[in-house]
Amino acid sequence: TQLLEQSPQFLSIQEGENLTVYCNSSSVFSSLQWYRQEPGEGPVLLVTVVTGGEVKKLKRLTFQFGDARKDSSLHITAAQPGDTGLYLCARRAGGTSYGKLTFGQGTILTVHP
Amino acid sequence: DSGVTQTPKHLITATGQRVTLRCSPRSGDLSVYWYQQSLDQGLQFLIQYYNGEERAKGNILERFSAQQFPDLHSELNLSSLELGDSALYFCASTPGGNAQYFGPGTRLTVL
Repeated sequence: TQLLEQSPQFLSIQEGENLTVYCNSSSVFSSLQWYRQEPGEGPVLLVTVVTGGEVKKLKRLTFQFGDARKDSSLHITAAQPGDTGLYLCARRAGGTSYGKLTFGQGTILTVHP
Repeated sequence: DSGVTQTPKHLITATGQRVTLRCSPRSGDLSVYWYQQSLDQGLQFLIQYYNGEERAKGNILERFSAQQFPDLHSELNLSSLELGDSALYFCASTPGGNAQYFGPGTRLTVL
């Protein structure tokens, strides 16, 4: 089993602060996805990163894929209460399990006004 | 709104009982995935169907089964329920490619 380790598990910050969430594995990913899940809802895809060293931006969110494609990070600038939620990284399986997602344990982010 | 619907939203039942969870994928999506989310195990893949056929299996218990019907909706059947089966159950669908679209989930409570 190719595990994804996310850190930190919990993050509680004040509005306006910056934060970074990490996703690591001992295995190489072909691609990695980041999802956000709000209470009472299903996960929503934020981004997919594919190329080693790739950086993608989504408004105040910056996603980076490690050069060796074994790790990824999500950086949020000037966090807002609306950013509160569970952030999950996931890898897609290939081969006969094409499309199946394996998730990290997640980071619970709380942004206080 | 992802376009994936799940019913019921909440389900409370007793140990030993059997329940059926229903999922309607987004229009045109042929693939349906079922996931279980619990506090201790996180979000885990259970099973995938593609156009009516089982495509992949994950950590799905033998007490659990699923099927996908000709109209592409899917049902997850959970039997001989135990306290530890209490969890959120999500269905996701995809048109192919990278994105999976998740439904709002069914919260199952086994008392």
